[in-house]
Amino acid sequence: QSALTQPASVSGSPGQSITISCTGTSSDVGSYNLVSWYQQHPGKAPKLMIYEVSKRPSGVSNRFSGSKSGNTASLTISGLQAEDEADYYCCSYAGSRVFGGGTKLTVL
Amino acid sequence: EVQLVESGGGLVKPGGSLRLSCAASGFTFSSYSMNWVRQAPGKGLEWVSSISSSSSYIYYADSVKGRFTISRDNAKNSLYLQMNSLRAEDTAVYYCARDSIAAAGTLPYWGQGTLVTVSS
Repeated sequence: QSALTQPASVSGSPGQSITISCTGTSSDVGSYNLVSWYQQHPGKAPKLMIYEVSKRPSGVSNRFSGSKSGNTASLTISGLQAEDEADYYCCSYAGSRVFGGGTKLTVL
Repeated sequence: EVQLVESGGGLVKPGGSLRLSCAASGFTFSSYSMNWVRQAPGKGLEWVSSISSSSSYIYYADSVKGRFTISRDNAKNSLYLQMNSLRAEDTAVYYCARDSIAAAGTLPYWGQGTLVTVSS
């Protein structure tokens, strides 16, 4: 399977909102509502932020939200904070897993 | 508290072998599917392999199929990855990650990773 397509980088100022897209195909992102998003700070393990397209695990801020339309999933972070600066990865599960290439979020 | 601790990484020559281990605690290991996910230096995440709770179902990424073997020992709460015929492109941090039963395809718990370097 080919990696899902994410923008290499996005940026925003504190307090603003940003959206990261994740584009796949009808065989992965478009086939099931099994898209998850992971946050990774430098030198750290990934952390689950969103699962099943739009659900938040306990303890994850409600500033993080997810959605999907067709073959594209999206992660929106509202009220940007300095600690949100990290790499973000989408992941689709359709029997096997495929990750996106990752997006570096810079908080200006 | 769920804990996943990987070990076994190190420097190996191209063509060599290495066995990674992941020690699990804080949950009923035998009830969960487990995974290996890797990350090459400066690159993104790549799913490597998955194994079901009873080892009945095993899957591999095409990039490692025929070279890597995933296994588990539920009595020892341990996950393994036997890596043979290693190549430079296998150089990465290897993470052990636990599936979620309630949310298919989700990886809510990850270890800290172990670095594998393939170089002559």
